[in-house]
Amino acid sequence: DADVTQTPRNRITKTGKRIMLECSQTKGHDRMYWYRQDPGLGLRLIYYSFDVKDINKGEISDGYSVSRQAQAKFSLSLESAIPNQTALYFCATSDSTSGDYEQYFGPGTRLTVT
Amino acid sequence: DQQVKQNSPSLSVQEGRISILNCDYTNSMFDYFLWYKKYPAEGPTFLISISSIKDKNEDGRFTVFLNKSAKHLSLHIVPSQPGDSAVYFCAARHSSNTGKLIFGQGTTLQVKP
Repeated sequence: DADVTQTPRNRITKTGKRIMLECSQTKGHDRMYWYRQDPGLGLRLIYYSFDVKDINKGEISDGYSVSRQAQAKFSLSLESAIPNQTALYFCATSDSTSGDYEQYFGPGTRLTVT
Repeated sequence: DQQVKQNSPSLSVQEGRISILNCDYTNSMFDYFLWYKKYPAEGPTFLISISSIKDKNEDGRFTVFLNKSAKHLSLHIVPSQPGDSAVYFCAARHSSNTGKLIFGQGTTLQVKP
């Protein structure tokens, strides 16, 4: 079974709808991240959480919110989706005690806003 | 302000030859660098990393070189194989130990049989 899972894997929604993307991990890591990937722009950080009570904005947080329901779960919400939020979204985790700064990624969610 | 830049969107090489992927950064406070590989419909996976106290790190066919004075790193793949065809991202960590990584735009490598 995958260590980092994301649901749904694909989603098509309409402008103005609220949508939630979910991420779960079984790695026991304390840190979790949400990124979006756009062609030519690479991976950009939306939000990150270093533990359940520590949530921080990344470089492109406008239009998004997050919730860290438990150490293993981190969800991303689009309160009112707009077409330029069409992108590939990735959740990632890391272990603050490992010393190697490596992040482990989920398989991604392809979101299309029409 | 793109702090980590991969200026070549794509690279095509022949199987068996060397692939060289380049990455430039602007922030001298970055102290750790990573390369990730991404196949279609999958998440990025860690490939190799290097600390700023080193100038080279090798793992099998993959070698990363770091030139701090030029703020440049490169990933060498020798010999290249068709299975290496993927998008490669370089990433950098700031020495303030926030745990965040800054990613480049990615380079799509195609290895032709």
